[in-house]
Amino acid sequence: EAGVAQSPRYKIIEKRQSVAFWCNPISGHATLYWYQQILGQGPKLLIQFQNNGVVDDSQLPKDRFSAERLKGVDSTLKIQPAKLEDSAVYLCASSNPGQTNSYEQYFGPGTRLTVT
Amino acid sequence: RKEVEQDPGPFNVPEGATVAFNCTYSNSASQSFFWYRQDCRKEPKLLMSVYSSGNEDGRFTAQLNRASQYISLLIRDSKLSDSATYLCVVFHSGNTGKLIFGQGTTLQVKP
Repeated sequence: EAGVAQSPRYKIIEKRQSVAFWCNPISGHATLYWYQQILGQGPKLLIQFQNNGVVDDSQLPKDRFSAERLKGVDSTLKIQPAKLEDSAVYLCASSNPGQTNSYEQYFGPGTRLTVT
Repeated sequence: RKEVEQDPGPFNVPEGATVAFNCTYSNSASQSFFWYRQDCRKEPKLLMSVYSSGNEDGRFTAQLNRASQYISLLIRDSKLSDSATYLCVVFHSGNTGKLIFGQGTTLQVKP
């Protein structure tokens, strides 16, 4: 079974520029998550999708971050404009609530963003 | 106060040692509990679930104390390959159902 795919793996941008990340979850997984992991911290949930609907975006800085999952499969996360404090690893994860042990989330390799 | 708190370490131990990690959580309504493992520059992966009765998986034992809102992970006979960051994770049910991660405890096993 293919895992969660993310691209790009690394991105370096200057502050005030825009950036977009892409995620393809495990086939059949209805729930998709975007996390931000700053160095030395645990992952922090930014947004959670159930199919193509948002179920939790309470910690998404909506003035600069946006995310979509138009067809209930792939998702993109955008930052516009980026700030220095956005430097982090952006992790995408997916899960399938219909399965047993449905709490388990499967993570992609992440995108390491550096804002200079 | 953070919702899930862990001692960040690092814990530096020799091979063969026994090491224990502790975690506390603040929301008494939390339903499920887990330990995830994260290798350096890699993604987190589920290590084991944590049950009130305690559970064991080989050299790893997890314990939950709901009254004290305390979770532990014990690693016996440490191996070099156990070197990683161990994330304490709490699941909140409800409308959204989400995982809350601690900051992680770093373990370095030395030869």
